[in-house]
Amino acid sequence: NAGVTQTPKFQVLKTGQSMTLQCAQDMNHNSMYWYRQDPGMGLRLIYYSASEGTTDKGEVPNGYNVSRLNKREFSLRLESAAPSQTSVYFCASSEGREGLRPQHFGDGTRLSIL
Amino acid sequence: AQSVAQPEDQVNVAEGNPLTVKCTYSVSGNPYLFWYVQYPNRGLQFLLKYITGDNLVKGSYGFEAEFNKSQTSFHLKKPSALVSDSALYFCAVRRINQAGTALIFGKGTTLSVSS
Repeated sequence: NAGVTQTPKFQVLKTGQSMTLQCAQDMNHNSMYWYRQDPGMGLRLIYYSASEGTTDKGEVPNGYNVSRLNKREFSLRLESAAPSQTSVYFCASSEGREGLRPQHFGDGTRLSIL
Repeated sequence: AQSVAQPEDQVNVAEGNPLTVKCTYSVSGNPYLFWYVQYPNRGLQFLLKYITGDNLVKGSYGFEAEFNKSQTSFHLKKPSALVSDSALYFCAVRRINQAGTALIFGKGTTLSVSS
């Protein structure tokens, strides 16, 4: 039971470098999400995708781009990393598009920007 | 705008005692509310949800939550705490706007259960 798989688990970047965080789910879910978690801030939604081919901005989209490559995969890209983007990034997925089903989370990518 | 608040950063209880983790919400329309738990170095795990119906919702690991419309609260409870319940707990509310649906999370409450 893989569920939601995120790669890599850890990464250190220098300011200005680019990187793509990968996420894949094997539960045939329609909806996928990217969050960032910072101490004392809870989880904040960066982008989400209600279905293959659609993406929408969340609370904190600046500095990020996303691609819903197919129903399984939803990637998050940092074009020019900044120290403020140091965080733990979580991908999640859920059935349906109405937001009533539980979200299933990966174990996160811990990203440090120097 | 939909939002949730978790007024306590940390809750400390002794093993075997009842526990409560508080959550209040602000929504326009019917609230759809969730509780999640996060263990160290792991993603969030779903505990329970309130969509409609009974105000007392039962979930995983012996947890339950009480929905109170007049107090706009959705507190998480367990009759007898275990040391293994020590974790970070998040309350969340469904948000709907023209872009679609998503969850808005509170800032989290750390539960510490001592033996």
